[in-house]
Amino acid sequence: KNEVEQSPQNLTAQEGEFITINCSYSVGISALHWLQQHPGGGIVSLFMLSSGKKKHGRLIATINIQEKHSSLHITASHPRDSAVYICAGGGADGLTFGKGTHLIIQP
Amino acid sequence: GAVVSQHPSWVICKSGTSVKIECRSLDFQATTMFWYRQFPKQSLMLMATSNEGSKATYEQGVEKDKFLINHASLTLSTLTVTSAHPEDSSFYICSARVPVLGYEQYFGPGTRLTVT
Repeated sequence: KNEVEQSPQNLTAQEGEFITINCSYSVGISALHWLQQHPGGGIVSLFMLSSGKKKHGRLIATINIQEKHSSLHITASHPRDSAVYICAGGGADGLTFGKGTHLIIQP
Repeated sequence: GAVVSQHPSWVICKSGTSVKIECRSLDFQATTMFWYRQFPKQSLMLMATSNEGSKATYEQGVEKDKFLINHASLTLSTLTVTSAHPEDSSFYICSARVPVLGYEQYFGPGTRLTVT
C-alpha cells in the first residue's frame, strides 16, 4: 500500500520568508505530485516529479529518489501563497495523498 | 495546457435522490480518469479509476452500485451518486491522465455535494 507522509501539518510565516514543506513516500511510488488547494477547494497541480528538481516562478520542487523524499520550497513568500499544499504519490494508478500542509503567510 | 472541467461546481440534493457529476477533458483525450472525494478537514481519497470503454475499478470500501461511473468517451466521465444520503456530502474531484504523456494528472475544479 502506498503511503505519503507530509510535514509540517501547519505552518505560519511572515511575508518574504523562505518556506519548505517536506514529503516522504513509500516504495512503489514512481511519481510525486505537488498540489495546491485554496479554500474554495479547487486543486491546482504545481509540479510532477520523478527525478531531480523543477522550478516555476518562486516555487521549487526537489526529489531524492534514493531517500524517497521530496520538498517544496517557496521563495519570497507572499500572503497569496496561503493555501493547503498537498503532496501525492502514484504512478500509473490513482494518487495517494498526504494530509496536506496548511500554510498561512502573514503580511 | 490541459484543462479539465467539472459540472456542476456545487449541488444540493435531498436524501434519496441521485446526482450526476460530469468530468470533461476540454483540450485533450483522456483514456484514464480518476474520481476522488474529500471529506471536511481530510485528505483526498481515490474512489475509482475509470478507463474509456471499460468498467471502472473501485477502491476498497467504495460501493460500485452506489457510485456509478461511466466513461463513454475519451473526453467525458460521469459519476452518479445514487440514493444519496447526508454522509455522501463531500467534495468530489476528478482528474484525467494521458498515459502517453506519462503520469501527470490534470485536475478538475471539484464538485461540492450537500445532501439534506
